[in-house]
Amino acid sequence: EAEVAQSPRYKITEKSQAVAFWCDPISGHATLYWYRQILGQGPELLVQFQDESVVDDSQLPKDRFSAERLKGVDSTLKIQPAELGDSAMYLCASSSTGTGAYEQYFGPGTRLTVT
Amino acid sequence: GNSVTQMEGPVTLSEEAFLTINCTYTATGYPSLFWYVQYPGEGLQLLLKATKADDKGSNKGFEATYRKETTSFHLEKGSVQVSDSAVYFCALSRYGGATNKLIFGTGTLLAVQP
Repeated sequence: EAEVAQSPRYKITEKSQAVAFWCDPISGHATLYWYRQILGQGPELLVQFQDESVVDDSQLPKDRFSAERLKGVDSTLKIQPAELGDSAMYLCASSSTGTGAYEQYFGPGTRLTVT
Repeated sequence: GNSVTQMEGPVTLSEEAFLTINCTYTATGYPSLFWYVQYPGEGLQLLLKATKADDKGSNKGFEATYRKETTSFHLEKGSVQVSDSAVYFCALSRYGGATNKLIFGTGTLLAVQP
């Protein structure tokens, strides 16, 4: 069964360092999402791509976060510089487009710890 | 705005007990509703969904009915197992326009004891 791949699974970094996460969606899925899940809370959308275009980045802290999906396939989320409050699980999801409810398939996530 | 409220946990049950996790929502228009499950150290898995009023989603013995009149989507299971121990998230999404992001509740931890 096709899955969303994410790497690394765990990342420990020091405050003010740069960090990057990678996501490979299910083949053929045009829509890709990055969510942030703070411990004890539900995930919140950071950015949504349709193919290579950003369609929603209203909750992305653009002073330090950036996201790209250059060829409309895999995606990278970057944080520079990392802050203590960025410690969280970063989840990538993908979905196909079409009629009806677009089920989002989630990857295993990257757990970031900023020290 | 759109939001989801679900009962706080943890919910601790004995094996074979009946489970209810309450979820209510606030949304404009007609959202689709979902229950996701997250096992320790893993990402989220879709458990079930309902896309219109009075729809019943079901999977692996879990059920939830989309109740528009009470804006609710409570999760139920008749007999829980130890393997059901996980965090359960209720979520909504509205389709149409450019974004169909999921809006999640805070999650409810379920612990099932043998």
